[in-house]
Amino acid sequence: GNSVTQMEGPVTLSEEAFLTINCTYTATGYPSLFWYVQYPGEGLQLLLKATKADDKGSNKGFEATYRKETTSFHLEKGSVQVSDSAVYFCALGGMTTDSWGKLQFGAGTQVVVTP
Amino acid sequence: EADIYQTPRYLVIGTGKKITLECSQTMGHDKMYWYQQDPGMELHLIHYSYGVNSTEKGDLSSESTVSRIRTEHFPLTLESARPSHTSQYLCASSPGSGVPETQYFGPGTRLLVL
Repeated sequence: GNSVTQMEGPVTLSEEAFLTINCTYTATGYPSLFWYVQYPGEGLQLLLKATKADDKGSNKGFEATYRKETTSFHLEKGSVQVSDSAVYFCALGGMTTDSWGKLQFGAGTQVVVTP
Repeated sequence: EADIYQTPRYLVIGTGKKITLECSQTMGHDKMYWYQQDPGMELHLIHYSYGVNSTEKGDLSSESTVSRIRTEHFPLTLESARPSHTSQYLCASSPGSGVPETQYFGPGTRLLVL
């Protein structure tokens, strides 16, 4: 079945540091890939997405490239801010009629950015 | 910005009580979902609906039930709350068409059962 594996947290960084959160997936076919972010006390928000191999999703300084050859969708940001402290979820979109619309989430990675 | 609402935001209740967690969306989305989020942050799909009068159980078995009588409304009910039901519950919706389907999340209900 489909699965998503992302690096464990917490990841603690200083402000302006480079952030990478690894995400790899297992799926048949060609899934869509997502990164969601959850700020403290809130629900999840879509951060970025990619629908096919080599697509790059980007938003708010974050980027992730859909790498089919390595089945990965790593999230990166060049210079983090304290306001980026949150939990980040990698997710895989369903590809069959039965799973259409459903998402398979990774376990989440907590990121803590200190001043 | 997504328009999906959950009430209450926080609920503390005693064992054995019946509770209903409300979820409403104003986007006209066909698909709606309930997730349970444990303290370790992992999300588990417990129910979903592809439209009015359609409900399915998710990947994680749950003692809760759901209904979908109106497109915009997807309440979750626990007939007899127990401490093991203590968790955060997140509701989401998606349009039901297009690839990829983005899910839009509500702010969540944090439930504590004593």
